[in-house]
Amino acid sequence: GAVVSQHPSRVICKSGTSVKIECRSLDFQATTMFWYRQFPKKSLMLMATSNEGSKATYEQGVEKDKFLINHASLTLSTLTVTSAHPEDSSFYICSARDQSRGAGATGELFFGEGSRLTVL
Amino acid sequence: AQSVAQPEDQVNVAEGNPLTVKCTYSVSGNPYLFWYVQYPNRGLQFLLKYITGDNLVKGSYGFEAEFNKSQTSFHLKKPSALVSDSALYFCAVRDIRNNRLAFGKGNQVVVIP
Repeated sequence: GAVVSQHPSRVICKSGTSVKIECRSLDFQATTMFWYRQFPKKSLMLMATSNEGSKATYEQGVEKDKFLINHASLTLSTLTVTSAHPEDSSFYICSARDQSRGAGATGELFFGEGSRLTVL
Repeated sequence: AQSVAQPEDQVNVAEGNPLTVKCTYSVSGNPYLFWYVQYPNRGLQFLLKYITGDNLVKGSYGFEAEFNKSQTSFHLKKPSALVSDSALYFCAVRDIRNNRLAFGKGNQVVVIP
C-alpha cells in the first residue's frame, strides 16, 4: 500500500512552546490529507482536512489558531501546535488519500505512524 | 448520516480460537466499508475493504470480513487468533457527502495465550 511518513514519532516540549509535526506521502501525491487526534479512550477525532495549495478545513470546536495546518506541496502537510499546554498532550495521526489508486473514489486512507506529544 | 457502530469495547479470545469483531453500518446508498488495525503507539494499518463484489472479503494477516446487507453488518473475522493479533480495531465507512471515512469507536482485542 501507499506509504505515509510522520515525524517526529515522539516529542516532549515545555508549556508555551510550539511544536511542528510533519506528514509526508512517500510514494504518491496527496492533494488532501487529514489530521486526527486520538484520546486515551481510543476514539479518533478528525481535527482538520488539509488541502494542498489552499486553507485547511477545520472541524467544529478545533481552534485554527491553535493548530496551524500548512499543505505547501503535494507530498507534505504540517501541523503546528502553537503555545502548547499540557491539555494538548495527545497522539496525533495524519492520513492521506492516494487518488491514483482509485482511493479518491472509495475513500480509502493511508495513515502515518502517529506522533506522541507530551507537554510539560 | 453515514456511520458505523462497534458495539463492544473489548473482545477477549483465547489463542487459537476464532476471533470476531463486530461492526454495523448506517449509510444512504452503497456502502464502502473498511477495517483498520492499530498496534500500540502506532498509526492505523489497512486490513481490508468492501466496495462491491463478493460478500466475503479477504485481507491482510489472515483476516476476512463478511458484508451482510440484510443485517447491515461487516464483521471482521479470523479463524484462529494469534497473540500478535492483540490490538485496536477500527471499522469505517465512507461518508458519501464528503468522501471522508467515518470511524467507529474502536474495539480492543486481547488474545490470551
